[in-house]
Amino acid sequence: GAVVSQHPSRVICKSGTSVKIECRSLDFQATTMFWYRQFPKKSLMLMATSNEGSKATYEQGVEKDKFLINHASLTLSTLTVTSAHPEDSSFYICSARDIGDSSYEQYFGPGTRLTVT
Amino acid sequence: AQKVTQAQTEISVVEKEDVTLDCVYETRDTTYYLFWYKQPPSGELVFLIRRNSFDEQNEISGRYSWNFQKSTSSFNFTITASQVVDSAVYFCALSSTGANSKLTFGKGITLSVRP
Repeated sequence: GAVVSQHPSRVICKSGTSVKIECRSLDFQATTMFWYRQFPKKSLMLMATSNEGSKATYEQGVEKDKFLINHASLTLSTLTVTSAHPEDSSFYICSARDIGDSSYEQYFGPGTRLTVT
Repeated sequence: AQKVTQAQTEISVVEKEDVTLDCVYETRDTTYYLFWYKQPPSGELVFLIRRNSFDEQNEISGRYSWNFQKSTSSFNFTITASQVVDSAVYFCALSSTGANSKLTFGKGITLSVRP
């Protein structure tokens, strides 16, 4: 149980284009999903907290117009990197919290590796 | 503010050696959760353990064991008889409780196990 998927797993795009990454909780409902970014050999950095039906809460320094987050259902959150540039190349990981789990544990997706050329 | 410190950045051991990965945390919360995750080269985070702040019992799972010491705010992880497949980056993380709680990660420890 508690499986989170991400799609795509890997994407290469040209500078200036937008890329959408999907995060799905496959066997549970998630009112809250989280988006992280990880640079090579670095730790996970929380970008934003996504709550179903409301606007995402962005961490300090994260551009909300650059990284658009939509959490339209209890099983799906999307992260859109708009007008991507090479510096946006990174490993993006989402996680989801089970609505029925009181332990506050986050279940992580497998990650999406974005390369902007 | 919460903080997790993993002072070791890289550890290299020979197969079958025991290795301990250190984790020290800071929080003002009385109730919190501690986690360890493994991140192999594939990138996917693998959950290893969750510990509630009220449960100081040490835990053993196969070759893995964890030592939680509230008095020193530490949650160390020991791998006994290490294997090459243990090579990965290991993250310690801390979470408060509540609907808006977030995970705070340490910087991670890169463990290399040589044959």
